[in-house]
Amino acid sequence: SAVISQKPSRDICQRGTSLTIQCQVDSQVTMMFWYRQQPGQSLTLIATANQGSEATYESGFVIDKFPISRPNLTFSTLTVSNMSPEDSSIYLCSVGSGADQPQHFGDGTRLSIL
Amino acid sequence: QKEVEQDPGPLSVPEGAIVSLNCTYSNSAFQYFMWYRQYSRKGPELLMYTYSSGNKEDGRFTAQVDKSSKYISLFIRDSQPSDSATYLCASYNQGGKLIFGQGTELSVKP
Repeated sequence: SAVISQKPSRDICQRGTSLTIQCQVDSQVTMMFWYRQQPGQSLTLIATANQGSEATYESGFVIDKFPISRPNLTFSTLTVSNMSPEDSSIYLCSVGSGADQPQHFGDGTRLSIL
Repeated sequence: QKEVEQDPGPLSVPEGAIVSLNCTYSNSAFQYFMWYRQYSRKGPELLMYTYSSGNKEDGRFTAQVDKSSKYISLFIRDSQPSDSATYLCASYNQGGKLIFGQGTELSVKP
């Protein structure tokens, strides 16, 4: 399966600032996704990153708060904007080869907001 | 009702035990099921991927889907301390979104 690298692996940020998380894949992939995993909780899909077009956001997540880019088939970024302590979480990138196919995950970015 | 439900545990077993991890799902139309293992400070790692009903075996791991009861299980034989992790079940819903259970934290004691 594809090797997925996320940067940074962790960060501690101040309230009101923004952080951009990078996801790099070692091969071209059809689908890329961003998830949030809060402490002790399961994974919640934030959005599907679409190559060359706007991301598709899930209910409860908006572009102004979580802008996403996907300039090509191997790279995507997620920005967490105007952060508050409620944004403290693990953010995970995943990739998939098509509908109903298993997704493969990076190791995540552990984000703490003070 | 959550689309995929999983007992969060934690579950603690002695080394060598057979472990049974279970999930239920809400919609009989779900057909694709996955089990992931997540070690601390790591991302989820795909263990098993199954379609529809029946069993699938891979080494010490067996995934089972019972569509009549909307129940999915993961069995681990001869459990090892290295199996200590959180196990997540997942399924695609009818909207094509991958839905995860809450995860079961497993600890295998030497």
